[in-house]
Amino acid sequence: SQTIHQWPATLVQPVGSPLSLECTVEGTSNPNLYWYRQAAGRGLQLLFYSVGIGQISSEVPQNLSASRPQDRQFILSSKKLLLSDSGFYLCAWRRGRAGANVLTFGAGSRLTVL
Amino acid sequence: QQQVKQSPQSLIVQKGGISIINCAYENTAFDYFPWYQQFPGKGPALLIAIRPDVSEKKEGRFTISFNKSAKQFSLHIMDSQPGDSATYFCAASMNTGFQKLVFGTGTRLLVSP
Repeated sequence: SQTIHQWPATLVQPVGSPLSLECTVEGTSNPNLYWYRQAAGRGLQLLFYSVGIGQISSEVPQNLSASRPQDRQFILSSKKLLLSDSGFYLCAWRRGRAGANVLTFGAGSRLTVL
Repeated sequence: QQQVKQSPQSLIVQKGGISIINCAYENTAFDYFPWYQQFPGKGPALLIAIRPDVSEKKEGRFTISFNKSAKQFSLHIMDSQPGDSATYFCAASMNTGFQKLVFGTGTRLLVSP
């Protein structure tokens, strides 16, 4: 079976500090990987997606970046956090083939920027 | 065209009642419509999904009703229970290209005992 891991679960960071959130998927190969952000009381905003190693597409220009150094690893980063980066960050995966619609989310990482 | 509009934003239902959440879309190329359930502090989880070739899909107490001509779909929770209290998201995607899921803004459901 496939599992998705996300860490850290909770993070409190000062403004201007760097960020690294990590996500890994087990039990599958060549997954499509996604980073979403959920602001308090709001919906799910797609930030980045990746169809393969080193292939990153950005949906929203902002203070964040993503990387995929390995097939099943997806990293969300920032060099200098802003207050507006606070939120609940969700990694998700989907099978990387046509017709595979089911999107599976990780447990999320709650980031508070002070 | 890429938006999915969801209503209501919040909903309070008594135990045993029916919860109804509605979504509307514009892009007629959408052909996959899932609903996700999210408990506080957790990631969303797929609840039920439908394709436009059927008008209704039922799984236990959860039913999706789909109206292709009106470009609307809804989630009905029968015999709502306190354990159903969560945030529900509708979504839509096309079965071509990258198949990006477009999410509604969510409905916070509270089922009172």
